[in-house]
Amino acid sequence: DTGVSQNPRHKITKRGQNVTFRCDPISEHNRLYWYRQTLGQGPEFLTYFQNEAQLEKSRLLSDRFSAERPKGSFSTLEIQRTEQGDSAMYLCASSLPAGTGGTGNTIYFGEGSWLTVV
Amino acid sequence: SQQGEEDPQALSIQEGENATMNCSYKTSINNLQWYRQNSGRGLVHLILIRSNEREKHSGRLRVTLDTSKKSSSLLITASRAADTASYFCATDAAGTASKLTFGTGTRLQVTL
Repeated sequence: DTGVSQNPRHKITKRGQNVTFRCDPISEHNRLYWYRQTLGQGPEFLTYFQNEAQLEKSRLLSDRFSAERPKGSFSTLEIQRTEQGDSAMYLCASSLPAGTGGTGNTIYFGEGSWLTVV
Repeated sequence: SQQGEEDPQALSIQEGENATMNCSYKTSINNLQWYRQNSGRGLVHLILIRSNEREKHSGRLRVTLDTSKKSSSLLITASRAADTASYFCATDAAGTASKLTFGTGTRLQVTL
């Protein structure tokens, strides 16, 4: 399977603990995005990388959240001191550079990582 | 915040019927993409339509885009039970480096 891969798929953690999610984008996709989705809502943008550079962060990304993409390939999203309000599905997506021919702006999503904070 | 709204919020039809979902958005866009999401799963890309396109087809899917009205529609013809899912439109606003902004989704139920 050469799609966007995320793990773990499910994580249950106690409030106050730290959690980390990993995303492996589609090979050759230099753009990588993180989104958060709560029940009954559409995904909301958190942050995006072009290669290893984090170019934009949403106001939703509090200082307890940190995302990295150290070598421009996989990415991690860490949530420190989790709160019950962090319970959501965290989605990773990737795409080719803008301006790529054909449907190069298509953004492909992974299966998501469910977080439950108890 | 959500970019726009899908309409209707929920739609129930019988297998074989057509399903039409609408999406409205607020700002100028580069592209609009439609996604399907089965319960508890990730998003599956269905179709991308560029701002200079008015209609696009892919299999049983037909997407229209009216930039003057800032709206799009997704038509699924000859629906199947497997089409049961939530459908989201997502816009790629001009100048936002392909960052997508999603609507609230339409929940489609196709019954046998």
